[in-house]
Amino acid sequence: SQQGEEDPQALSIQEGENATMNCSYKTSINNLQWYRQNSGRGLVHLILIRSNEREKHSGRLRVTLDTSKKSSSLLITASRAADTASYFCATESGYSTLTFGKGTMLLVSP
Amino acid sequence: DTEVTQTPKHLVMGMTNKKSLKCEQHMGHRAMYWYKQKAKKPPELMFVYSYEKLSINESVPSRFSPECPNSSLLNLHLHALQPEDSALYLCASSLLAGPYNEQFFGPGTRLTVL
Repeated sequence: SQQGEEDPQALSIQEGENATMNCSYKTSINNLQWYRQNSGRGLVHLILIRSNEREKHSGRLRVTLDTSKKSSSLLITASRAADTASYFCATESGYSTLTFGKGTMLLVSP
Repeated sequence: DTEVTQTPKHLVMGMTNKKSLKCEQHMGHRAMYWYKQKAKKPPELMFVYSYEKLSINESVPSRFSPECPNSSLLNLHLHALQPEDSALYLCASSLLAGPYNEQFFGPGTRLTVL
């Protein structure tokens, strides 16, 4: 069953701007992860935030998690054309199964 | 070696064919996964193997038959597929099955069923 719902579905920005994507989910989780997928190929793990964490940074990425609102956001700062991809949030609850959201397609124009 | 490889990259098959997808990793991971991804949709979990044993089958039709012959290799045998089974099939692995284990994905096999 689908757990995460991202918005917006698509986002178009210029290089150098920041991109913010949001994810909402329905049930309690162990952690929430963000993945990037280029052109329908394999997914690349970006960052994992545990349910007891509120914010995490990795390079140009900043992730927040609000378990009371069952939501997370991914901020990409100073975006580059190479950041063009689909971004998925995935929640992990229980054994280790990931349930992916619908994804946000990000287009960064030079 | 920190990657998951999948072969073939593309596969076209008829509904009466039998084919197999192959996935390999040499990272010493003991958990391996198959996902199915339709166009413009998120990946959906199909199977989870832990220590070469099937631990999760997400109610996948029997025309998909997974096999894990050793800790580095994962196969997906396909038989009598339907056109709606056309999708990107992704393999992933993680050090262990269980929470907080990062999954590493292969590039996928794009399957077309005619």
